[in-house]
Amino acid sequence: AQTVTQSQPEMSVQEAETVTLSCTYDTSENNYYLFWYKQPPSRQMILVIRQEAYKQQNATENRFSVNFQKAAKSFSLKISDSQLGDTAMYFCAFKGGATNKLIFGTGTLLAVQP
Amino acid sequence: EPEVTQTPSHQVTQMGQEVILRCVPISNHLYFYWYRQILGQKVEFLVSFYNNEISEKSEIFDDQFSVERPDGSNFTLKIRSTKLEDSAMYFCASRETGPLHFGDGTRLSIL
Repeated sequence: AQTVTQSQPEMSVQEAETVTLSCTYDTSENNYYLFWYKQPPSRQMILVIRQEAYKQQNATENRFSVNFQKAAKSFSLKISDSQLGDTAMYFCAFKGGATNKLIFGTGTLLAVQP
Repeated sequence: EPEVTQTPSHQVTQMGQEVILRCVPISNHLYFYWYRQILGQKVEFLVSFYNNEISEKSEIFDDQFSVERPDGSNFTLKIRSTKLEDSAMYFCASRETGPLHFGDGTRLSIL
């Protein structure tokens, strides 16, 4: 069975600094998708970034980038130039190639300090 | 930008009562989902729905749960006889072919 592990329940970063959130996963599949979702205090989960496993190039979306290490089954999120609005719960999620469902990690609560 | 909308935002129900949570997915989306998040725990998949039928469901989604798309816009989750452990945030999500778009959630409190 696939699992997603986020080992950092909480993290804190100073505004304008860089922070990396960790995520590891376990699967026997070769074709899958990985996601980072952000859940601010307003509750709606918003997609931050996604990575297809067959792509070797790490995905980047403005200040957000990932370090995808397929062999190590690692998918970390780097937030550069952190902003106060980045304060949220961040969930790593996995989707197998043959399924519709997302499997979420337990989340990392990120606090950006002024 | 179009959004997934959920109503109500908070539902309080007596144990044993039926409850219906409502969702309006984004209009051109084809796949619909319900997830739940018990307070302090991770988001869990309940069910996916495509082409007017359930395409996948988890062990959580037992006979007490059902989903329906009664018209062209709504997507509902019904819990027939609620239990205390059904208290959670319930998220509806939809997608066309890309990633999921989530609604704001309905907080369900069972007394």
